[in-house]
Amino acid sequence: SAVISQKPSRDICQRGTSLTIQCQVDSQVTMMFWYRQQPGQSLTLIATANQGSEATYESGFVIDKFPISRPNLTFSTLTVSNMSPEDSSIYLCSAGLHTDTQYFGPGTRLTVL
Amino acid sequence: EDQVTQSPEALRLQEGESSSLNCSYTVSGLRGLFWYRQDPGKGPEFLFTLYSAGEEKEKERLKATLTKKESFLHITAPKPEDSATYLCAASNDYKLSFGAGTTVTVRA
Repeated sequence: SAVISQKPSRDICQRGTSLTIQCQVDSQVTMMFWYRQQPGQSLTLIATANQGSEATYESGFVIDKFPISRPNLTFSTLTVSNMSPEDSSIYLCSAGLHTDTQYFGPGTRLTVL
Repeated sequence: EDQVTQSPEALRLQEGESSSLNCSYTVSGLRGLFWYRQDPGKGPEFLFTLYSAGEEKEKERLKATLTKKESFLHITAPKPEDSATYLCAASNDYKLSFGAGTTVTVRA
C-alpha cells in the first residue's frame, strides 16, 4: 500500500483567489488522480495526473480552472483557480500502481467565501 | 455511461444486527469492483477488490461478494466502530466510478 499526504488539510479562501493543493506519496506510483467530494456526495474524478505531460481531464473539468502538475512519480499539485463559493468541497488525491489499486489521501477541505 | 448505484442510502443497525449493502453497476470493460470505508473528515480507506463473479472476500465482520451485475457488502454482528460510509466503485482500464455510498450507523 501507499501512504499519501496532502497539504493543506483545510483552508478558507476568498472569492477570486487561487489555492494550490499538494499531494505527496511515500513510494513511486504509476497513477495519480484528483477527485472532488462535495458535501454529502460521493467522489467525482477531476483528472488523471500524468508524469511529465498534461493531465487528462474528465468531462466538466478544464485545465484553466484546475491546472495540475506532476513533476515526478511521487508528487502532484492541483490548483483551484479563480475560486467561487461553488468550489467549496473536499479535494482528494489518490495514487496507485494502476487504476485498480488506488489509495487515498486524507483530503483538503476548501471553503470559499 | 458508466453508472454505480448503492442502496440503501442510510442504514441504522443495532449492535449485533447483521445486514447487507447493495452496489449495482453498469460499467463498460469492467476490470474490478472495489469497496472502501470512509470515516467523517477522512479519505476513503481501501477494503476489498473483487474481479470475477462468484468471488468473495472477507475482513473481520465484513464480507464482499460479486455477481455479474451487483456486489454486496455483508456486515455480520456489527459493532459501533463499524459505523462509517461504505463506498462502492467500479473500474475499467481508465478510471474508478464511485457510487454515492451507504452511511451505516451502529447503535450500542
